[in-house]
Amino acid sequence: DQQVKQNSPSLSVQEGRISILNCDYTNSMFDYFLWYKKYPAEGPTFLISISSIKDKNEDGRFTVFLNKSAKHLSLHIVPSQPGDSAVYFCAAAKGGSQGNLIFGKGTKLSVKP
Amino acid sequence: DADVTQTPRNRITKTGKRIMLECSQTKGHDRMYWYRQDPGLGLRLIYYSFDVKDINKGEISDGYSVSRQAQAKFSLSLESAIPNQTALYFCATNQYSNQPQHFGDGTRLSIL
Repeated sequence: DQQVKQNSPSLSVQEGRISILNCDYTNSMFDYFLWYKKYPAEGPTFLISISSIKDKNEDGRFTVFLNKSAKHLSLHIVPSQPGDSAVYFCAAAKGGSQGNLIFGKGTKLSVKP
Repeated sequence: DADVTQTPRNRITKTGKRIMLECSQTKGHDRMYWYRQDPGLGLRLIYYSFDVKDINKGEISDGYSVSRQAQAKFSLSLESAIPNQTALYFCATNQYSNQPQHFGDGTRLSIL
């Protein structure tokens, strides 16, 4: 049973426009959420995180929104750039879980020039 | 130099062989993790360790074992490899549970 779901396997966006990647979770005990970006032949790299005590966290072009009542988070990339083309993984952890992350299946983002 | 180094990067082997994948880190982190990624799936946790004397099973530990030889080294073994263990394997580290994990570049393992 998937606890972290990324229902869109792929997303295509024009350069300069906004990219919105979505993630849903089922376990209300999750209180720490992260987004990772992965290029081919490389390991995932950390992008941005959010604690459940917040509903928004921003870092440059990247913003993560958390809606606890809907058990939903999203990653916004504005403006999108061709270098943002990668697979994006959403991950979640429970408080006191000592860092064990549960990952979604990923969404492949393609940003077209 | 990479903070988290995995060796080998690629390995092709036969069913029944014993395989060891190695991970070393220069970040000085206490916590280390082994994950497996299959096509179209997210990363799944195999084993994790919070210090040299600590080993814990993850979601999919059957068929695998690990050894934490030192703070900086965490190896994953397949005692008798089988084809459905063909996957991309990642090692990761962090210091505290509320910090992001840092990943190596992965080992692509193919079992024929």
